[in-house]
Amino acid sequence: SQQGEEDPQALSIQEGENATMNCSYKTSINNLQWYRQNSGRGLVHLILIRSNEREKHSGRLRVTLDTSKKSSSLLITASRAADTASYFCATTSGTYKYIFGTGTRLKVLA
Amino acid sequence: KAGVTQTPRYLIKTRGQQVTLSCSPISGHRSVSWYQQTPGQGLQFLFEYFSETQRNKGNFPGRFSGRQFSNSRSEMNVSTLELGDSALYLCASSGDGSYEQYFGPGTRLTVT
Repeated sequence: SQQGEEDPQALSIQEGENATMNCSYKTSINNLQWYRQNSGRGLVHLILIRSNEREKHSGRLRVTLDTSKKSSSLLITASRAADTASYFCATTSGTYKYIFGTGTRLKVLA
Repeated sequence: KAGVTQTPRYLIKTRGQQVTLSCSPISGHRSVSWYQQTPGQGLQFLFEYFSETQRNKGNFPGRFSGRQFSNSRSEMNVSTLELGDSALYLCASSGDGSYEQYFGPGTRLTVT
C-alpha cells in the first residue's frame, strides 16, 4: 500500500501564482524527497529533506517537514507553465526502500 | 555523464508471454531500483539491486524477478504476463550512500 498520500490530487493555477501541495505518510522516516514527473516520463529529483530538518529551500522551491504530524509540504513560488507536471513525495525508512505518494497533478495556465 | 537508459521504450506482449526489460544506470552508480507505475496503483517499488545483490524487495508476486550484472546494468523479467501488468516500468539508479534517485524514461509495456 502507498505510504504517502498527496493533497490535492490536482491543482490548477495561473502563471505567477504560488502552488502548494502536501504529503502525508504513516511511519517514521529517514528522509523525504520530492520528485517531478512530466507526462508519463521518468521522475526528476527536486529536493531532499532529512528527518531532523524542518525547512529547506532550493531556488523557487520550499519544502517543510513536520515529523510530529507525519506531513510535508512543497511550495513552488512564481509558477511557470513549465512547472506543469505531477509531483510526488517519496519517503525512505530503514534501508534504501522508497515509498512514493499518489502524486499531485499541477497545471499552470499561461 | 550519460543518464539512465532503458530499453526498449515500448513493448506490446500477449497474455502468458514473458518479457525482459533492461536498465543501464549512470556510470559509477551501483544501486538500481525498479518501479511499476499504473494509473490505479501509482508508483510501486519492485526491487532494488546493489552490487549484483537484491537488497530490497517490494510486494510483487514471484513472476517479477530481476538481476544485476557486474557492470551494474540490470534486467527485470516478468513471466506469464497478465493484463494487469500493463504499466510504465521505471528504473532508477543512485550513488553509494545517496538517497537521490535518477530515473530513466521508462518502458511502456502493454499486455493484450
